[in-house]
Amino acid sequence: DAGVIQSPRHEVTEMGQEVTLRCKPISGHDYLFWYRQTMMRGLELLIYFNNNVPIDDSGMPEDRFSAKMPNASFSTLKIQPSEPRDSAVYFCASSSDRGTSYEQYFGPGTRLTVT
Amino acid sequence: GDSVTQMEGPVTLSEEAFLTINCTYTATGYPSLFWYVQYPGEGLQLLLKATKADDKGSNKGFEATYRKETTSFHLEKGSVQVSDSAVYFCALSDIDDYKLSFGAGTTVTVRA
Repeated sequence: DAGVIQSPRHEVTEMGQEVTLRCKPISGHDYLFWYRQTMMRGLELLIYFNNNVPIDDSGMPEDRFSAKMPNASFSTLKIQPSEPRDSAVYFCASSSDRGTSYEQYFGPGTRLTVT
Repeated sequence: GDSVTQMEGPVTLSEEAFLTINCTYTATGYPSLFWYVQYPGEGLQLLLKATKADDKGSNKGFEATYRKETTSFHLEKGSVQVSDSAVYFCALSDIDDYKLSFGAGTTVTVRA
């Protein structure tokens, strides 16, 4: 399996611009998670989906952030408008409920820099 | 709520030294426990896991034992290599909860 795929790997944008991050989960996985990692706040869960439905978005920092999962193989995280404090590494992860321990598999991340 | 506390870093070791990273947890149920590793510039990778008390997870020379009586899951390796330099995260998933609760991460640097 190719693992979790994220694109782009790096994104540099100017404040006020719209940013869209993309994720393809592992085939057959029915849970998808979006995380943000910064030096100051560590690893934060933003939102997660089950069978394409958002289950918990309590970690989404504000209305500028939105996430969608139109089908089982694709999800987006959008920031509009972007701000310098959004600079971070954003990870997507997926998991399956067919096991008993619910381990998550992470993508390589998207490093976002907002200037 | 569920939480994980792991020892603060950074930790700097010489090659072939013994490594221990302490991890304790608080959970309302009977969680599964994990150690993830993040190498520079990469995403998190599952290193090992344990799903019930007294289980020992092991991988790449690393071990951790699920201790319910002390609510701990300490990570150990007997002889570290430079390639073990990474950030290590302890995490838990409570029963029927698909979210992971992560510790703050411990940065380990191994010098040749």
